[in-house]
Amino acid sequence: EVHLVESGGGLVKPGGSLRLSCAASGFSFSGAWMTWVRQAPGKGLEWVGRIKTKIDGETTDYAAPVEGRFTISRDDSENTLYLQMNSLKTEDTGIYYCTKWDHWGQGTLVTVSS
Amino acid sequence: DVVMTQSPLSLSVTLGEPASISCRSSQDLVHSDGNIYLNWFQQRPGQSPRRLIYKISNRDSGAPDKFSGSGSGTDFTLKISRVEAEDVGVYYCMQGTHWPRTFGQGTRVEI
Repeated sequence: EVHLVESGGGLVKPGGSLRLSCAASGFSFSGAWMTWVRQAPGKGLEWVGRIKTKIDGETTDYAAPVEGRFTISRDDSENTLYLQMNSLKTEDTGIYYCTKWDHWGQGTLVTVSS
Repeated sequence: DVVMTQSPLSLSVTLGEPASISCRSSQDLVHSDGNIYLNWFQQRPGQSPRRLIYKISNRDSGAPDKFSGSGSGTDFTLKISRVEAEDVGVYYCMQGTHWPRTFGQGTRVEI
């Protein structure tokens, strides 16, 4: 059974940093393009970024609002996806989900507030 | 960016009756590989999203057959043949053809 478990969320001040993790199991993680999606409180879904597989060059793409501040990486030996978030803004507050589209994690809450 | 526009944004339905949600894209969603990557997601209250439909009309495993997707070009539809209480939630369309990926605003379905 596929499982995606996010962790690392919490309260951080504007300008601060946070690293989210997503532990994957039940499928070939190294063979999957992985994506981060976020949801601001009471709002809709927003695509954050995606990382391809190693064989596809581990290429990353990001949404404009996070480009240059967020970095997606992966450790296939640990079956783990990461989202490094720097220079955080209040508008980055929300639940962050990792997904391979047909399966989603439960999400982890990030709150950016002074 | 491709803008995905859903309608209606809110839908009040009667148990056992059908429901339909429309999604329109600002650009054609035909990928260079010939596929149209139009997905539908369901998000029940307090839960993570769940994909129901991919590539316009393909149902994910575990998605009940009361859900069906259709459409082409820039106009797409999600239909629920007979609404049940468990269908309450927000439904999103999302295009997976162009970068960045974009979602519709969501349609809230209530009984």
